[in-house]
Amino acid sequence: KAGVTQTPRYLIKTRGQQVTLSCSPISGHRSVSWYQQTPGQGLQFLFEYFSETQRNKGNFPGRFSGRQFSNSRSEMNVSTLELGDSALYLCASSLEWDGPYEQYFGPGTRLTVT
Amino acid sequence: AQSVAQPEDQVNVAEGNPLTVKCTYSVSGNPYLFWYVQYPNRGLQFLLKYITGDNLVKGSYGFEAEFNKSQTSFHLKKPSALVSDSALYFCAVRDIYGTASKLTFGTGTRLQVTL
Repeated sequence: KAGVTQTPRYLIKTRGQQVTLSCSPISGHRSVSWYQQTPGQGLQFLFEYFSETQRNKGNFPGRFSGRQFSNSRSEMNVSTLELGDSALYLCASSLEWDGPYEQYFGPGTRLTVT
Repeated sequence: AQSVAQPEDQVNVAEGNPLTVKCTYSVSGNPYLFWYVQYPNRGLQFLLKYITGDNLVKGSYGFEAEFNKSQTSFHLKKPSALVSDSALYFCAVRDIYGTASKLTFGTGTRLQVTL
């Protein structure tokens, strides 16, 4: 079974631009979560989607948004990029959005904002 | 609110020796607990989880973890460390009774295994 895929793997953007990251979950998984990982802040939860609905949201500004499609694929968007948005963005999928289900992570998208 | 603490930023172990990576948690109800490992420039990989039942959980690559409800801990262990175990380890918790309860990760512990 194919794992979680994220595209693109690397991205360089300029301050003020916007970016869209894509995530394809493992087949059959209906929940997708997004995380931001930085050396200083560690792993921070962005949001979680299930059945095209946002179920949980972390403490990030409104510049960070996401959505999930009917095939469970998900995208996240960051508008008006800031230098501090440089990070590894990880997507994870699981069977369901709650309960004892482990999450499976993709390789991440490395975003650099200059 | 639920939380996870990994009190050690780094753990150093010699190859062949046993290793322990510590994790304590706080939830209002009962927890689901997870361990993940991250190798450089990679996403997190699931190692093992505790749902209910036996307090000793066995996982991938020879790792195991012991759930201790009275101490609210879920320490990761391995009887004999390998250099290839060197990586960043994350503990995570979800409250089984929390509605809309997200998975909460600790800050991570870097394991360094030397020859």
